[in-house]
Amino acid sequence: EVQLVESGGGLEQPGGSLRLSCAVSGFDFSTYEMNWVRQAPGKGLQWISYIVGSGDTIYYADSVKGRFTISRDNAKNSLYLQMNSLRVEDTAVYYCARVGGNDVLDMWGQGTMVTVSS
Amino acid sequence: QPVLTQPPSASASLGASVTLTCTLNNGYSNYKVDWYQQRPGMGPRFVMRVGTGGIVESKGNGIPDRFSVSGSGLNRYLTIKNIQEDDESDYYCATDHGTWNNFLWVFGGGTKLTVL
Repeated sequence: EVQLVESGGGLEQPGGSLRLSCAVSGFDFSTYEMNWVRQAPGKGLQWISYIVGSGDTIYYADSVKGRFTISRDNAKNSLYLQMNSLRVEDTAVYYCARVGGNDVLDMWGQGTMVTVSS
Repeated sequence: QPVLTQPPSASASLGASVTLTCTLNNGYSNYKVDWYQQRPGMGPRFVMRVGTGGIVESKGNGIPDRFSVSGSGLNRYLTIKNIQEDDESDYYCATDHGTWNNFLWVFGGGTKLTVL
């Protein structure tokens, strides 16, 4: 069974840092592109970052560029999101999502909540 | 870049049908769009992909035959027949957009479907 489980969320002050993890199982992680997508409370979905299977190609949304870093450890079947210089507007549920064989986001985790507040 | 517009809300009675609309901005009429369902408190689930010719590839895992898609011009539609209580969810459309040096996913604002 394919599973994606996010962790690492919590309460952080503006300007602080958090590192999110997404542990996957049930598929050959190294061969799949992955994404982070977030959802602010009561709002819609917002894509924030993408990484290919090898980790060689990475893209970011403008809203997080220069502050967030996506990475992966294929040996540990894990995806990461290092979030620095956090802002109040980064408050959201963060989801990891797999890019399936037909280039859709075919599997999603349950999300981890990040709250940025003083 | 593409922009996807969705009505914020829709409603339908139990057993009825409803069609949700996702509209692309001008210049992107050839773009395919993906539909996602998000039940309260849960992560999104892929429903299916649609172009102007209809469904592209196959439906997401466990998506019933009551769900279908179609497309015309700038509009991409998700139709749900014989609506069940379980269908009450937020529905998002999305598309990916790549250039020579960038790539991104764009989501619509979502439509909240209420089952009456």
